[in-house]
Amino acid sequence: EDQVTQSPEALRLQEGESSSLNCSYTVSGLRGLFWYRQDPGKGPEFLFTLYSAGEEKEKERLKATLTKKESFLHITAPKPEDSATYLCAVQAIRGRALTFGSGTRLQVQP
Amino acid sequence: GAVVSQHPSWVICKSGTSVKIECRSLDFQATTMFWYRQFPKQSLMLMATSNEGSKATYEQGVEKDKFLINHASLTLSTLTVTSAHPEDSSFYICSAQGDGELFFGEGSRLTVL
Repeated sequence: EDQVTQSPEALRLQEGESSSLNCSYTVSGLRGLFWYRQDPGKGPEFLFTLYSAGEEKEKERLKATLTKKESFLHITAPKPEDSATYLCAVQAIRGRALTFGSGTRLQVQP
Repeated sequence: GAVVSQHPSWVICKSGTSVKIECRSLDFQATTMFWYRQFPKQSLMLMATSNEGSKATYEQGVEKDKFLINHASLTLSTLTVTSAHPEDSSFYICSAQGDGELFFGEGSRLTVL
């Protein structure tokens, strides 16, 4: 059974204070690892897909990395508008549903 | 990028009534769509996989007679919550695969009184 564990559950940062979110996973053959951002009362917003160990992707202040067991979402010099829940998910086979972690609730204070 | 639209975004209904939620892929065709349920401060839990032209595949513990799924076209899947009860109140989210990635709708918040 595919499993995704995210840590920490919640994170409070000061504006400009860089940090990383962790996503540990076990999956029977990884097709892709996904990162999403979710604001309260909204659906998940796609951020990144990583396909193989060693792969990295960046978007503005966010950078996602992948190893064979975990993924990190690095947030550099965060701003208050980065406050959201960040979800990690894995897909074992193309066309199959994602298995989600419980998310990390990030709060960035000005 | 690919867009998935859900309607309605929120609905309030009386206990015992049925509610239909639509999920549309606006600029791509989706042979498969997924329906998730999310409780407050919890992650998304897969309810069922909707396949165009065939019966949906439900996850263990999800009542197929309660949550009716119809995927009549390549751009539309519907979830009908039948005889809704307060415990069915939740945030329902659909997703579909387009451009190689999985995109999500904005979600539909159901409140059953």
